[in-house]
Amino acid sequence: QVQLVQSGAEVKKPGASVKVSCKVSGYTLAEVSMHWVRQAPGKGLEWMGGFDPGQDVIIFAQKFQGRVTMTEDTSSDTAYMELSSLTSDDTAVYYCTVASYCSGATCYSDYNWFDPWGQGTLVSVSS
Amino acid sequence: DIQMTQSPSSLSASVGDTVTITCRASQTIRTYLNWYQQKPGMAPNLLVYAASTLQSGVPSRFSGRGSGTDFTLIINSLQPEDFATYYCQQTYNFPRTFGQGTKVDIK
Repeated sequence: QVQLVQSGAEVKKPGASVKVSCKVSGYTLAEVSMHWVRQAPGKGLEWMGGFDPGQDVIIFAQKFQGRVTMTEDTSSDTAYMELSSLTSDDTAVYYCTVASYCSGATCYSDYNWFDPWGQGTLVSVSS
Repeated sequence: DIQMTQSPSSLSASVGDTVTITCRASQTIRTYLNWYQQKPGMAPNLLVYAASTLQSGVPSRFSGRGSGTDFTLIINSLQPEDFATYYCQQTYNFPRTFGQGTKVDIK
């Protein structure tokens, strides 16, 4: 089964960039559809972007377009999410997660869900 | 974008109660609806996918139903470990969107 291990907490100044990593094990990165979700303190879950296998592209939430980059290193099965021009509003826990299409022996061509999730990476932005 | 609206935003309940959480989509999402449970300091955990299919290992006191725009998550005989925040999510199209969450706490 897939396991995701993320990099450690980060503290950044406003205007800086942060790069969070997510190491995949149990499967290769090429076999999964990676997504990133963030959660500001005391707030809900916010989808940032992820891979759409139907279009074979990474799709980003509009509010992050131009400011977020999602890359993959298949040689190390590690995914990266880089967010630039940080402000205090970007203080949040950032999660990587995989869009799964199979539960046990049952697989679907279209139904999918986020499972598993990484443990989360706290990014704090403060001057 | 498809807006997902949960109600209530929070509720207080006792052990043994039956709890119902509602999620409404701004347009039809057929049955492309998932439910997650999140406890403080932890990543979300999948409970139900495709609106009504219980993820393996999830207790049978949880159930999901609905299609189109209206969905419910029902927790029968609430247990102490069920006090958490619950989120719905649509995977009908991109961008993926979540409801704002429903916090279930102890009365």
